[in-house]
Amino acid sequence: ELKVEQNPLFLSMQEGKNYTIYCNYSTTSDRLYWYRQDPGKSLESLFVLLSNGAVKQEGRLMASLDTKARLSTLHITAAVHDLSATYFCAGTPFFGNQFYFGTGTSLTVIP
Amino acid sequence: DTGVSQNPRHKITKRGQNVTFRCDPISEHNRLYWYRQTLGQGPEFLTYFQNEAQLEKSRLLSDRFSAERPKGSFSTLEIQRTEQGDSAMYLCASSTRRELTETQYFGPGTRLLVL
Repeated sequence: ELKVEQNPLFLSMQEGKNYTIYCNYSTTSDRLYWYRQDPGKSLESLFVLLSNGAVKQEGRLMASLDTKARLSTLHITAAVHDLSATYFCAGTPFFGNQFYFGTGTSLTVIP
Repeated sequence: DTGVSQNPRHKITKRGQNVTFRCDPISEHNRLYWYRQTLGQGPEFLTYFQNEAQLEKSRLLSDRFSAERPKGSFSTLEIQRTEQGDSAMYLCASSTRRELTETQYFGPGTRLLVL
């Protein structure tokens, strides 16, 4: 079973600041995903990372993957209030179709 | 709206009753997943279908849970003899795999409360 841990669990940051959310996973994973969930809503896919060194960017969010360290990061640049949400990472093991999610990072951006 | 719909959106039931939820995936997606999410936690995998075949099921899933996907289209998740611990949000997601990439599209969920 793939275990996925995120930190921090809660993050309060001021608008305009930068911060990074970390996602560690326990065994080899062939794909790493990032999702966003707004309160009371379902999950929205943000990024899929397929290989070591993969980097993807969308607006103020940038995700990267280091398969050797079993670590993915989600970097937030110059945060704005609209980024307030819970962010989840999820991995899938080789030869499997189960998605294992972390517990999420609840991000609050303060004006 | 992702194109994945779930019904009902809310369900309140008494302990011991059976409940059934429905998921309508995006029509061209051959993969369908069910998850359970409780407050403050990430989604927990329940089961996975490829077309009409149920290919994976969580080892943690009680025998009271059963899922079907007749004809590879919509899916139903039934919980028999509900318990208070079954109270959660039940999420459905659909996807199709293109090369190495798979993007899951989640439905709005069915929130279950067992009294």
